[in-house]
Amino acid sequence: QKEVEQNSGPLSVPEGAIASLNCTYSDRGSQSFFWYRQYSGKSPELIMSIYSNGDKEDGRFTAQLNKASQYVSLLIRDSQPSDSATYLCAVRLNQAGTALIFGKGTTLSVSS
Amino acid sequence: DGGITQSPKYLFRKEGQNVTLSCEQNLNHDAMYWYRQDPGQGLRLIYYSQIVNDFQKGDIAEGYSVSREKKESFPLTVTSAQKNPTAFYLCASMDGRSGNTIYFGEGSWLTVV
Repeated sequence: QKEVEQNSGPLSVPEGAIASLNCTYSDRGSQSFFWYRQYSGKSPELIMSIYSNGDKEDGRFTAQLNKASQYVSLLIRDSQPSDSATYLCAVRLNQAGTALIFGKGTTLSVSS
Repeated sequence: DGGITQSPKYLFRKEGQNVTLSCEQNLNHDAMYWYRQDPGQGLRLIYYSQIVNDFQKGDIAEGYSVSREKKESFPLTVTSAQKNPTAFYLCASMDGRSGNTIYFGEGSWLTVV
């Protein structure tokens, strides 16, 4: 069974702090990794994708990938109340065509 | 505007009825997907299609059916065989030109009454 694991949270951080969201995956053949943000009652929206080991930065967001440890993370710097949402980690498996496998998501709450 | 359109946004189904959820995209994407999301849960793959006239079962295909007669359209039918259909249904398509990123429609809420 191919799995993507996330801590469900809630993760609570004060405004301006760094939020760290973590994700592990079971299939070593996984090739592509994505972070989506989902507000309550809405559809997921893409935040970042990462394909190679290391860090990838986009504004206040940094994705980190470590394929040896089968671990991907998302850091949100200068967290804002508007960042309060559920963050979904998704992985594309090498053998599963083009579909993504999703974790259950981590709920982030940023207090002002 | 380019995008993925799902309809209806809200749908109520009586026990024993089949219902069809519409998904249309004008992004010229080849691949399309249907996911189901239950409260507090992640997304689970129902069906996906990589090209017209071809589709594959996902992890929870039982009780669902799809068709892909046109590139733009990928409707999902929730049949009476699906015993617990109340959920949030998400259609998505993939842009193969920009890192194979998957984008979602706004979703359809299905409730059994």
